[in-house]
This record gives sequence, C-alpha cells and structure tokens, in this order.
Amino acid sequence: QQQVKQSPQSLIVQKGGISIINCAYENTAFDYFPWYQQFPGKGPALLIAIRPDVSEKKEGRFTISFNKSAKQFSLHIMDSQPGDSATYFCAARGGSQGNLIFGKGTKLSVKP
Amino acid sequence: DAGVIQSPRHEVTEMGQEVTLRCKPISGHNSLFWYRQTMMRGLELLIYFNNNVPIDDSGMPEDRFSAKMPNASFSTLKIQPSEPRDSAVYFCASRAQLGKDTQYFGPGTRLTVL
Repeated sequence: QQQVKQSPQSLIVQKGGISIINCAYENTAFDYFPWYQQFPGKGPALLIAIRPDVSEKKEGRFTISFNKSAKQFSLHIMDSQPGDSATYFCAARGGSQGNLIFGKGTKLSVKP
Repeated sequence: DAGVIQSPRHEVTEMGQEVTLRCKPISGHNSLFWYRQTMMRGLELLIYFNNNVPIDDSGMPEDRFSAKMPNASFSTLKIQPSEPRDSAVYFCASRAQLGKDTQYFGPGTRLTVL
C-alpha cells in the first residue's frame, strides 16, 4: 500500500516531442505528489508538484495530470529538449510525518 | 544559500572498515532525511530526523547502520562494518519544517565498498 509504481523505466523521445511518465499509488491517504528531476552526479531536485484537490498543474513545459479516482498521476513534458535528459522520480507523501515515497525512476533521453 | 552539503563526495573503502558520511542541512531547516540510491532498489529512505530527534528509522537496513544528529547543523550516517552490498549513493535532504512540502537534496556521497 505504501508503494508508488512508476513507468516506463526508460524513455527515448525526439526533440520537440512529448514525454509522458506515469505513476500509480494505492494509499488514498497520500496528500502530496511531487516530481523530482535528477541529473547525473547530482541530487534530485523538485520539478513540480500537485495536491489531490486539483486535476492538473502546469508550469512552463511541464504538466502534472492527476486522476484521483484511478489513483494515477503523470508528468507531461511538452516540446522536449535535450537538456531535459535526466532521471525523473514521482513521489507521494504518506504517513503522519510527511515522508516521501519515491517511484523507481524513469531515465529520459531526448534525442536532437 | 549553499544548499545541503555532504562530505565526502566519493568514498572507497574495504569490506569491514568503518565509514562515516556527513551532512550539513540548509540553515533553518529542522527536518533531515538520509536516503540510499541503487539501481536495483531506487531511492530508499533510511532515517528521518525532526528537530534533531530520530522520528523514523524503519528504513535502516540493519544494526551496522547508525545515524546521529547532534545539533541542527550536522548529521552523520555511519556504517560499521561496511560490506560490498552497501555500495550506493547516499543522499541527505532537508526540509524547512514539519508539514512543509519540499525536500532539498544534497549532491550525494558515492560509496564503494571493495
């Protein structure tokens, strides 16, 4: 119940294309769903986040779509650029202490 | 702000040796997290402190691992004795206060146990 399942494990997209990464969860008590971006040799950094009371959040080329009934959320990267090549982690906040539970990550490669 | 600082950035040691990883959280943050990242298991939470007090250490793999936070600006993660399966990247993250959302990660320590 505490797991967050992320797919795909890896993704190759052409420059200008749309990258889509999906996550699913079981615990309906989760109340915060962030996406983190990690470049090689660096720590993860918050990219965008959403709460379950909204169905979509957009920040520039990055959009989170959230489906509460299906317990799924996804990250869409519009007009993908080579500089977006990184590993992306979805997460969910669970438990009274607000710890994050991370998905396994998606390695995105954007080809020029 | 310098962000979360971790040292060393790389550590290579031999099996059986003691390893100590260090973390300085962002000034003013009162929650601190230690994570381990491997290809097989992804990003795992090891232990979490709030106001220097360990709140949840259920992720600590075994008694060989211990963590301390003697004050608000310093934490250590110790492995004794180290084993090859401990090889991973260890991240420290801090958060402003309980209930706040964003965790800020350090650059990590890449540990290799031979």
